[in-house]
Amino acid sequence: DGGITQSPKYLFRKEGQNVTLSCEQNLNHDAMYWYRQDPGQGLRLIYYSQIVNDFQKGDIAEGYSVSREKKESFPLTVTSAQKNPTAFYLCASSKWDRGFGAFFGQGTRLTVV
Amino acid sequence: RKEVEQDPGPFNVPEGATVAFNCTYSNSASQSFFWYRQDCRKEPKLLMSVYSSGNEDGRFTAQLNRASQYISLLIRDSKLSDSATYLCVVLYSSASKIIFGSGTRLSIRP
Repeated sequence: DGGITQSPKYLFRKEGQNVTLSCEQNLNHDAMYWYRQDPGQGLRLIYYSQIVNDFQKGDIAEGYSVSREKKESFPLTVTSAQKNPTAFYLCASSKWDRGFGAFFGQGTRLTVV
Repeated sequence: RKEVEQDPGPFNVPEGATVAFNCTYSNSASQSFFWYRQDCRKEPKLLMSVYSSGNEDGRFTAQLNRASQYISLLIRDSKLSDSATYLCVVLYSSASKIIFGSGTRLSIRP
């Protein structure tokens, strides 16, 4: 079955640590996205990528980094510079040139302990 | 001004009622429009695309008004299971950028 997979589902981070969230898709989608969602809030765009080896900052990129070495993969690193990383992180992919809707992974809940 | 704006609600309506949400967008270059549904602590899921001619899927009707730059979602004969947050989504194809509204919370009461 085609889909988009995020791992892990839950992640705990100590203050000062970097952590990497995984996102893999086998939908052959060109574009991939990372969003952050805080309780009771909407989705805010962190980074997005249209093609391999290229990505752009979204609205809240500070404290995060990404890479797009393969079409299928778009990992997000939450660095120690992100002052308030506790949130629900959602990865999505879409076939941008046809205006298809985006499909989401099940999300990763990151908690700083 | 946000690129995509929605009334956050919450909308609290009785079962069987008709409810409508609007969403406005600021960039006239926007290409594609969607409504997503998000249940509590879950990922958003595509509900329906929105076309200029309007489209209907069962009890759900979506409309796009490009002149006024808004999209709407109408839910008829609402069910308890319709309780969720509804997200308006705009795709800028030229930038391959997808922007989400902050969502409208809907609660259907028995």
